[in-house]
Amino acid sequence: DAGVIQSPRHEVTEMGQEVTLRCKPISGHDYLFWYRQTMMRGLELLIYFNNNVPIDDSGMPEDRFSAKMPNASFSTLKIQPSEPRDSAVYFCASSLLGGGNTEAFFGQGTRLTVV
Amino acid sequence: GENVEQHPSTLSVQEGDSAVIKCTYSDSASNYFPWYKQELGKGPQLIIDIRSNVGEKKDQRIAVTLNKTAKHFSLHITETQPEDSAVYFCAPSGYSTLTFGKGTMLLVSP
Repeated sequence: DAGVIQSPRHEVTEMGQEVTLRCKPISGHDYLFWYRQTMMRGLELLIYFNNNVPIDDSGMPEDRFSAKMPNASFSTLKIQPSEPRDSAVYFCASSLLGGGNTEAFFGQGTRLTVV
Repeated sequence: GENVEQHPSTLSVQEGDSAVIKCTYSDSASNYFPWYKQELGKGPQLIIDIRSNVGEKKDQRIAVTLNKTAKHFSLHITETQPEDSAVYFCAPSGYSTLTFGKGTMLLVSP
């Protein structure tokens, strides 16, 4: 397996524009997680899915953020409208079991810059 | 929720020295204690983990020790090498998600 695949690797957009980040988890993994990493706040969990169903989205900062998982092999994180404070590295991760008791495999991340 | 603290935030050592990073947590229900390594431009990667029924685990040059009573666990790296330079995160958990510490930047000088 190629691991968790995220696209794009880098995204630069203007404030107010819609941004969509994409993730392909490892085949067979039932859990998918979206994290945001910044210098100030570290690694924050935004939302996670179990068998394509959102379980906990309490980490999603605002209504501008939304995430979907239409099938077991694809998830998106959308920001609309984007703001400069959304600039961060966004990671997708997947795990076979609940991430609290087994290894979570991370993608390479998407570096988002909102100008 | 889980409160996680890592110390130190940065650690500089000479090649060949040992390095120790400590993680304290608040939730007594935590039963899984992993350490992740993040290299520049990459996502975090698991390097070693331990469960609450074990006090110590070793894998070549790295080891993790757990003190559940005091609610802390530590990462030990012996004979450090330049390629060990990275940011290390602890992520204690007991539920479905990992709670990451703020990270420790380890710099190993040749």
